[in-house]
Amino acid sequence: DTEVTQTPKHLVMGMTNKKSLKCEQHMGHRAMYWYKQKAKKPPELMFVYSYEKLSINESVPSRFSPECPNSSLLNLHLHALQPEDSALYLCASSQVPTITGELFFGEGSRLTVL
Amino acid sequence: TQLLEQSPQFLSIQEGENLTVYCNSSSVFSSLQWYRQEPGEGPVLLVTVVTGGEVKKLKRLTFQFGDARKDSSLHITAAQPGDTGLYLCAGENNNNDMRFGAGTRLTVKP
Repeated sequence: DTEVTQTPKHLVMGMTNKKSLKCEQHMGHRAMYWYKQKAKKPPELMFVYSYEKLSINESVPSRFSPECPNSSLLNLHLHALQPEDSALYLCASSQVPTITGELFFGEGSRLTVL
Repeated sequence: TQLLEQSPQFLSIQEGENLTVYCNSSSVFSSLQWYRQEPGEGPVLLVTVVTGGEVKKLKRLTFQFGDARKDSSLHITAAQPGDTGLYLCAGENNNNDMRFGAGTRLTVKP
């Protein structure tokens, strides 16, 4: 079982909806990540939080808004999304620095935007 | 941002065959990781290679890090249907900036 828990597992939303994806880890990791993965493509980095501060933002549209309320939780707030935003959204965590380079991934939240 | 190129992009083989997957970059990495991802799941780390020329074995999987630490390979011996999945190499630019190669989608037919 993964030690990074993501909810919901599946989400269907309209373009005018506001929803959030949630991620939780209790491994004491101080870096948390959001990746977006389209079908048959590799994960693409969106955001990195290090010690609860946003350290990397890969020019992601503002309709995606990350939040890191504490060292165990990471949210991704979604608003006014487009159908092309449909994808698997993966959360990961790691030590800071990564030391071995290992990221621990959740199972992902599969988002469909209608 | 350092880029990682993987080849081949797709590979379909029969059970029992051997295969090699490559991960190349023009940049030097302090370490490279290999992940395997199955449908509907997140990537799972297989191995990290750190030292140039390093070879690591994980049962039927052999991982090698190039001497110059710019490339890596994954060799699978006697592939099994359970090896089917997306194989991703990854490297860290700096400060937790972890990037993935495009991946190799492996299908092993019974």
